[in-house]
Amino acid sequence: ETGVTQTPRHLVMGMTNKKSLKCEQHLGHNAMYWYKQSAKKPLELMFVYNFKEQTENNSVPSRFSPECPNSSHLFLHLHTLQPEDSALYLCASSQGTSGLTDTQYFGPGTRLTVL
Amino acid sequence: SQELEQSPQSLIVQEGKNLTINCTSSKTLYGLYWYKQKYGEGLIFLMMLQKGGEEKSHEKITAKLDEKKQQSSLHITASQPSHAGIYLCGAPSVSGNTPLVFGKGTRLSVIA
Repeated sequence: ETGVTQTPRHLVMGMTNKKSLKCEQHLGHNAMYWYKQSAKKPLELMFVYNFKEQTENNSVPSRFSPECPNSSHLFLHLHTLQPEDSALYLCASSQGTSGLTDTQYFGPGTRLTVL
Repeated sequence: SQELEQSPQSLIVQEGKNLTINCTSSKTLYGLYWYKQKYGEGLIFLMMLQKGGEEKSHEKITAKLDEKKQQSSLHITASQPSHAGIYLCGAPSVSGNTPLVFGKGTRLSVIA
């Protein structure tokens, strides 16, 4: 138990569906992240939010739409996805966004399959 | 951009044996994180090294940071089935103030 929860844990969706992934952290952190993990690739950073403001968008296609209503919650809205978007989506949180001092704590991930 | 290369990509060891995993950076290392991941699950933070020559231990896992070689090693002593999983290293970017870059991971299997 890392203090970061994600729902759902598994999701299967068609290319025309709209769905959302949810992440919640109970650590009192200010920064939250979305990562994509595909087989045989390094973890790919998608978005970073710090104090509810988006500070980084790593050239992510617009079919992925993040939302951060407060420092404890982060959503990833999905629409018209492609089969290559199938992956494990991981959420993380940290106190701040310094890579030198702010350890990131990860949720268990959502396994997404796009048919 | 910075890249982290982990070696080996996968490793099978007999229970009770020692093993070492390496993480080599293409650029100067300003710090290094080690995480463990069970298949299909999230990453569990193991330890973070901040200074060259620093060495940290947690139970039977020891990690060292060699700044000059731009490398970190993770050593497991007397491996157990509970050590099985994917070990990932992550490092702050050159500027240090943006999120981490990660290696592809080393998959460890421990057989009885």
